[in-house]
Amino acid sequence: EAQVTQNPRYLITVTGKKLTVTCSQNMNHEYMSWYRQDPGLGLRQIYYSMNVEVTDKGDVPEGYKVSRKEKRNFPLILESPSPNQTSLYFCASSSRGGSTGELFFGEGSRLTVL
Amino acid sequence: AQSVTQLGSHVSVSEGALVLLRCNYSSSVPPYLFWYVQYPNQGLQLLLKYTTGATLVKGINGFEAEFKKSETSFHLTKPSAHMSDAAEYFCAVKDSGAGSYQLTFGKGTKLSVIP
Repeated sequence: EAQVTQNPRYLITVTGKKLTVTCSQNMNHEYMSWYRQDPGLGLRQIYYSMNVEVTDKGDVPEGYKVSRKEKRNFPLILESPSPNQTSLYFCASSSRGGSTGELFFGEGSRLTVL
Repeated sequence: AQSVTQLGSHVSVSEGALVLLRCNYSSSVPPYLFWYVQYPNQGLQLLLKYTTGATLVKGINGFEAEFKKSETSFHLTKPSAHMSDAAEYFCAVKDSGAGSYQLTFGKGTKLSVIP
């Protein structure tokens, strides 16, 4: 089954404790992206990757890091989480370098930073 | 630069009534337009899209949307609402130009269906 898998789905952590949210897709997609969803703000792009070793900032990259060492994986790293990073995070992937605009989303990771 | 405006953060309709969710966009070049749906506790999934050709596009679950260039709109409709349509709906826009990858989302409209 074609899918985007995120882990963990739920996480409560404390300020400053580094964490990583993993994302893996089994569709051989070149393009992957991270979004955060906040009430009243919709989805905002954090980082995206056109292919292996190619990443770029989205609209709200501050406080986040990403890496793309393999085509299927695109982890999101919070080096020193802060309460304003409490949010619902989605990973998404797309074929043809993202040019189609058709994104496949994971089920989301709800992060709470105390 | 692109932007998307969804009128109404919450819309309530009765079961069997018409669903109309409004989306207006701004784009400096011809756009690709999308509607995504998010059911509770799930990720987003593509409902329908407009790229080129016929301006009335049909999607899954009986939804359709019409691209109106003169009105810069891409409203989503369904003739008869079902309880299972309760979800949050997001309109999105992307430049159609080669090398354009950024998808810009609206803030979403939460649809409630009243029995």
